Amino acid sequence: DIQMTQSPSSVSASVGDRVTITCRASQSINSYLHWYQQNPGKAPKLLIYAASNLPSGVPSRFSGSGSGTDFTLTISSLQPEDFATYYCQQTYGTPPTFGQGTKVEVE
Amino acid sequence: QVQLVQSGAEVKKPGASVKVSCKASGYTFTGYYIHWVRQAPGQGLEWMGKINPNSGGTNYAEKFQGRVTMTGDTSVKTAYMELNGLRSDDTAVYYCARAHSPDSSSCLHWGQGTLVTVSS
Repeated sequence: DIQMTQSPSSVSASVGDRVTITCRASQSINSYLHWYQQNPGKAPKLLIYAASNLPSGVPSRFSGSGSGTDFTLTISSLQPEDFATYYCQQTYGTPPTFGQGTKVEVE
Repeated sequence: QVQLVQSGAEVKKPGASVKVSCKASGYTFTGYYIHWVRQAPGQGLEWMGKINPNSGGTNYAEKFQGRVTMTGDTSVKTAYMELNGLRSDDTAVYYCARAHSPDSSSCLHWGQGTLVTVSS
């Protein structure tokens, strides 16, 4: 299985901060990389698909970049509703696999 | 609008089976894969498998091969996930999710989750 490693595991930040989360794949996955946001007790929400594309309705402060093995999720100006856990997922190989998650916490 | 509504919470004994349903609305049920993802308490997300509701074709994670069965009923626009031989470490919230597009495996629409508790 393709291993996905996120860093950091948690980050403390304040409203208005720029936050960057990285995801590294154990082998090249082209751009088959997606990002999800999850709030406690809720289902995940797709934030970014195919490395850099935003689904309709996702705020433009979220952006994604990367290809191959190294990917980045950036929140340009953290908002109160952005304190959550973020997961990357690869769908290049079977089974699709997720990173372990990055929790964005209040500083 | 697209909705996936899952069945309610279940409590099962070790060795039993559970069948979770996922009723779809707001789109052409046969046009998109349905994925099943689970999340143990305090843990991350784990992909279990997917089903093509049009053909009934399935693809399961090796970890669950032989224990899981995913089916779909197009007449009621509902997908099902049955897990057999339950163990305590199967305690988790089980989600169904619809693919973002017919040719994508990212999941845009999610059910609300079904908590399955396995306890003697």
